[in-house]
Amino acid sequence: RKEVEQDPGPFNVPEGATVAFNCTYSNSASQSFFWYRQDCRKEPKLLMSVYSSGNEDGRFTAQLNRASQYISLLIRDSKLSDSATYLCAVNDPSGSARQLTFGSGTQLTVLP
Amino acid sequence: ETGVTQTPRHLVMGMTNKKSLKCEQHLGHNAMYWYKQSAKKPLELMFVYSLEERVENNSVPSRFSPECPNSSHLFLHLHTLQPEDSALYLCASSQVFSSNQPQHFGDGTRLSIL
Repeated sequence: RKEVEQDPGPFNVPEGATVAFNCTYSNSASQSFFWYRQDCRKEPKLLMSVYSSGNEDGRFTAQLNRASQYISLLIRDSKLSDSATYLCAVNDPSGSARQLTFGSGTQLTVLP
Repeated sequence: ETGVTQTPRHLVMGMTNKKSLKCEQHLGHNAMYWYKQSAKKPLELMFVYSLEERVENNSVPSRFSPECPNSSHLFLHLHTLQPEDSALYLCASSQVFSSNQPQHFGDGTRLSIL
């Protein structure tokens, strides 16, 4: 099993839709979780950290499910500008606990 | 001014060439990273420097040689690369070397090996 796994998509949704992505991780001892977005041919940019109680930033909600070992990202009222690849990052305590392991990303296209 | 800048943005080189990638961060961070991103693959961590000391080297071939002269600058020296080394090379920094710290990425250098 991969350490960090994401559905590659693509997810094609109409403007205004709500869309959610999951990211599963293999090590139950992982403690740090992030979502990044990466536009085509650009660098990853931090979208939000994921806290154990869940957190929200505008239209974006991140949640952690420790029992099932996944994090999720929910985007409400999606905009055309949300089209990007969304990467999750998780620390891997089996290696250097200070390193982050990234998923391959989930591609989102918001259609007009 | 962007926080992490990388040069060059694009690089095409032959397998026998020697070139260097440069990264500079203006965020006052103490940790810097080199990642490789190949198409459809996750980011692969190559090297980590914390306070100018290399703290991680993830089984990277010796044809990649990092250098960190100070906490703001990071280089990746390239020599005798292979076609499979063609990828996007990303530099990142964080306040300290800790998984609790978000990483800030540069624009990357898109490298093509002929």
